[in-house]
Amino acid sequence: SQQGEEDPQALSIQEGENATMNCSYKTSINNLQWYRQNSGRGLVHLILIRSNEREKHSGRLRVTLDTSKKSSSLLITASRAADTASYFCATDAGGATNKLIFGTGTLLAVQP
Amino acid sequence: DVKVTQSSRYLVKRTGEKVFLECVQDMDHENMFWYRQDPGLGLRLIYFSYDVKMKEKGDIPEGYSVSREKKERFSLILESASTNQTSMYLCASSRRGNQPQHFGDGTRLSIL
Repeated sequence: SQQGEEDPQALSIQEGENATMNCSYKTSINNLQWYRQNSGRGLVHLILIRSNEREKHSGRLRVTLDTSKKSSSLLITASRAADTASYFCATDAGGATNKLIFGTGTLLAVQP
Repeated sequence: DVKVTQSSRYLVKRTGEKVFLECVQDMDHENMFWYRQDPGLGLRLIYFSYDVKMKEKGDIPEGYSVSREKKERFSLILESASTNQTSMYLCASSRRGNQPQHFGDGTRLSIL
């Protein structure tokens, strides 16, 4: 029951450019989260945006949420080679168990 | 910082063996999760637990079982390993109530 779909599947940019990744989902959510995964490692939580929020910032990250379109975007500004990783959105329908449904991810390559 | 530790980074087993994957978290989190990650399919939830001795099936529980005898430890068991269970296995934990999940570094399991 894949909920999130990321777009694009892969993205290659130069250092210093901005990277934008999009996520679409299908059902109502309580919150949406973005995670990062370096090659061969576990996922690291980046940012959580609640269903009643429209935009959230954390350092060079900016996340937007449009619940009417069931979509979210992650913007990484002034990218660095160290930002090279896979990025996943995950939706939380609510409840005490924090069960998340992950998308298939966007592979970002930042060329030095 | 939360630490989620998976017992092995790499594991090679034979078809038909009983396989145990162990996960320990050190932050007293109520919820624990087991996922498998395959190329093109993203993360899929196998089982999760919201309290000691409590467990619920995720999206793909067939061929797996779990055990949570202590709050900090969540074990995934492959009762009779098969080649289609070759995958990356990720453990995560979280507090109750719309909280992010914290992941271990994963176990890359190969079934020969």
